[in-house]
Amino acid sequence: DTGVSQNPRHKITKRGQNVTFRCDPISEHNRLYWYRQTLGQGPEFLTYFQNEAQLEKSRLLSDRFSAERPKGSFSTLEIQRTEQGDSAMYLCASSLILTEAFFGQGTRLTVV
Amino acid sequence: AQSVAQPEDQVNVAEGNPLTVKCTYSVSGNPYLFWYVQYPNRGLQFLLKYITGDNLVKGSYGFEAEFNKSQTSFHLKKPSALVSDSALYFCAVRDQAGTALIFGKGTTLSVSS
Repeated sequence: DTGVSQNPRHKITKRGQNVTFRCDPISEHNRLYWYRQTLGQGPEFLTYFQNEAQLEKSRLLSDRFSAERPKGSFSTLEIQRTEQGDSAMYLCASSLILTEAFFGQGTRLTVV
Repeated sequence: AQSVAQPEDQVNVAEGNPLTVKCTYSVSGNPYLFWYVQYPNRGLQFLLKYITGDNLVKGSYGFEAEFNKSQTSFHLKKPSALVSDSALYFCAVRDQAGTALIFGKGTTLSVSS
């Protein structure tokens, strides 16, 4: 197992465009998390799944953001109508229910 | 809802000296506590965790952390700092129900030679 994998590693997009990121978790992990991190700040929780069910969404997650985890395996995070304020590192992590989370390298989004 | 506070934005220590990075938390019920480290342009790496049991937990790279329930703290410590320990450190907490892992804002550790 190579750990949590995120693609793409970098994404530059024009304001107003839609973008989609993919996360492949550690295979036996049933929890999958999405976080957003800006420079010098801690990871900010966005949403998490247990298997295919999305159990919690942050109030910070606007309706332009949507996440899916079909079949409880990989997950996608889509941002519609991107804004400059969406520029950040998007982190994915996976875990078993009560254990530590393991993070991917992240996808750095730049909205121009 | 759970929360984490890291009161120091930066901690500076000399190589060979002991280091402490502070963390306090707020959670309903018993906490699950974690420390992570982030090096420049790298993902977050798990260091150690407290779930239950001994209040002093040992982790990777010689780090340890002390859980103090009365002070709701989980400070990260190392007896002798290395220059290579310089990085950004994050404390995180989840509650017993297993909800989302919530992170502090991070503390930059700078170890000088």
